[in-house]
Amino acid sequence: NAGVMQNPRHLVRRRGQEARLRCSPMKGHSHVYWYRQLPEEGLKFMVYLQKENIIDESGMPKERFSAEFPKEGPSILRIQQVVRGDSAAYFCASSPNLRQGSGANVLTFGAGSRLTVL
Amino acid sequence: AQRVTQPEKLLSVFKGAPVELKCNYSYSGSPELFWYVQYSRQRLQLLLRHISRESIKGFTADLNKGETSFHLKKPFAQEEDSAMYYCALTGGYQKVTFGTGTKLQVIP
Repeated sequence: NAGVMQNPRHLVRRRGQEARLRCSPMKGHSHVYWYRQLPEEGLKFMVYLQKENIIDESGMPKERFSAEFPKEGPSILRIQQVVRGDSAAYFCASSPNLRQGSGANVLTFGAGSRLTVL
Repeated sequence: AQRVTQPEKLLSVFKGAPVELKCNYSYSGSPELFWYVQYSRQRLQLLLRHISRESIKGFTADLNKGETSFHLKKPFAQEEDSAMYYCALTGGYQKVTFGTGTKLQVIP
């Protein structure tokens, strides 16, 4: 089991371009989470998805950002018309579909994708 | 809304000294709390969870519902404990919220 795979590990974009970050969850995991980490700051929740369903996107900026987790293939975080402030590390994590209150909802993290906007 | 607060960005202690990393939370329901750790050049990984009441690498954490806290403690710090520590809360619909993290620096 290769764990949570994120690619690309590093992405450089010019202002106005689009950035696509991909995340393949662990085998058997049905939930995907995306977090953003700005320099010198902690992990900020962005979005939480199941297959073909966004459960909570309260941390996503209203414009330019979108996420999906299709029936087949990886989860994708898409940032349109990137700006310098989007430069950050974007982490993906996955978890199995567990009963709430089980205390076993442990996240497995990917290595992150570092986006640099020039 | 669910929120996790870690008041210290950086905590420096000498080797052999006790460690306490603070975590407070805000959540109206019954919380599930975790500590994650990120060692240098490694991925973020689970350290321990409150429901297991376990001790991992000498670390323990007790959930105090009255004070809404889940502080991480270790009686004697070791150099290999130097890392970034994140407190996390799983709330409604299994949404996981992290604190801003505390960097622990153990001085030899």
